[in-house]
Amino acid sequence: GQQLNQSPQSMFIQEGEDVSMNCTSSSIFNTWLWYKQDPGEGPVLLIALYKAGELTSNGRLTAQFGITRKDSFLNISASIPSDVGIYFCAGLLYSGNTPLVFGKGTRLSVIA
Amino acid sequence: AAGVIQSPRHLIKEKRETATLKCYPIPRHDTVYWYQQGPGQDPQFLISFYEKMQSDKGSIPDRFSAQQFSDYHSELNMSSLELGDSALYFCASSSIVGFSTEAFFGQGTRLTVV
Repeated sequence: GQQLNQSPQSMFIQEGEDVSMNCTSSSIFNTWLWYKQDPGEGPVLLIALYKAGELTSNGRLTAQFGITRKDSFLNISASIPSDVGIYFCAGLLYSGNTPLVFGKGTRLSVIA
Repeated sequence: AAGVIQSPRHLIKEKRETATLKCYPIPRHDTVYWYQQGPGQDPQFLISFYEKMQSDKGSIPDRFSAQQFSDYHSELNMSSLELGDSALYFCASSSIVGFSTEAFFGQGTRLTVV
């Protein structure tokens, strides 16, 4: 089945630093979604990407849909303590109702 | 804006009991997904429904069943509960706008089997 490789698994950074994480797949996707999950809460959608090469920003977050459609990255600039959480990438092969395939997550810790 | 509503938020059951989890999707969303997330794990896909018909099936045990009703809400029924069923259960809903799909998650139901 489809699998997403998300890296790094965890990161410890100083407040104010930039963060980068990425996902790769052996399969192509039509949509890449990035979520943030706080403990015990549901994943919250951060950014959605729909076209190969697309670069999208949401405040301090920037994500790109890889040209090959097999990868995506998420950057967080000037990290703050509330950025702490688990970030998941998810890929969707468009067919209207296929399930999202999730990466294993990147656990981000921000040291003030 | 309305979000995905799940109930209950927390549930404690004994082994071999049954449990029913409910999901109310965002209005006008036509697809509902159920995911199971164990501690420290990524969400694992269980089952999905599109326009009230089962559309895809993942790693859902035979002891579990689900359905989507005419008002688009969905229920996940879990029988003969086992300790290993303890997890967070998420429902997500989505709709297709052109070639765009965004899936939004509910707050989840934390099921504890004792």
